[in-house]
Amino acid sequence: RKEVEQDPGPFNVPEGATVAFNCTYSNSASQSFFWYRQDCRKEPKLLMSVYSSGNEDGRFTAQLNRASQYISLLIRDSKLSDSATYLCVVTHLQGGADGLTFGKGTHLIIQP
Amino acid sequence: NAGVTQTPKFQVLKTGQSMTLQCAQDMNHNSMYWYRQDPGMGLRLIYYSASEGTTDKGEVPNGYNVSRLNKREFSLRLESAAPSQTSVYFCASSENPGWFGTEAFFGQGTRLTVV
Repeated sequence: RKEVEQDPGPFNVPEGATVAFNCTYSNSASQSFFWYRQDCRKEPKLLMSVYSSGNEDGRFTAQLNRASQYISLLIRDSKLSDSATYLCVVTHLQGGADGLTFGKGTHLIIQP
Repeated sequence: NAGVTQTPKFQVLKTGQSMTLQCAQDMNHNSMYWYRQDPGMGLRLIYYSASEGTTDKGEVPNGYNVSRLNKREFSLRLESAAPSQTSVYFCASSENPGWFGTEAFFGQGTRLTVV
């Protein structure tokens, strides 16, 4: 049973384009949602939290759809520096050993 | 602000050798985690600690032991390294999962090769 699923890609996108990808989760008790960014051979770092009302941070917009159990990330005016792997992270009310669940990531390549 | 510090950053072991990966966080977090990351597999939880003195097995605990020495430190030990344990290991910390808005902070990773 896969709790958090992402399209692994790679998504090859020309610079300046808009790209979006989703992450689906199976546990309806999931409480908090995040997008993390991981550069090659580096640690994951928080990109943004995902709130029920949706949130925007510059060129990045994250949305949550609880009814359909997915979160999305939209990147506008993509830059070469946006090339990375984007991890979806879901936390559960129960906490415990699986309190944080990671998707396997979506690989994004921005091409000049 | 150091955040989460892992040592060592790189290590090569021979099959059967043992070693301990160290992790320390200075954010006063309750929860600490050890993950391994392999190509195509994503991050997989090895062990988790909710607080000092408590540990829980994750998805892939076999071949590993952990110790939550105090609130700051959470170590991972490989008693008899095997080639299948070649991986990148990440330590992370967070407030208790499930609290709205909590996030995880990661160390820089340990690249371990077992030959």
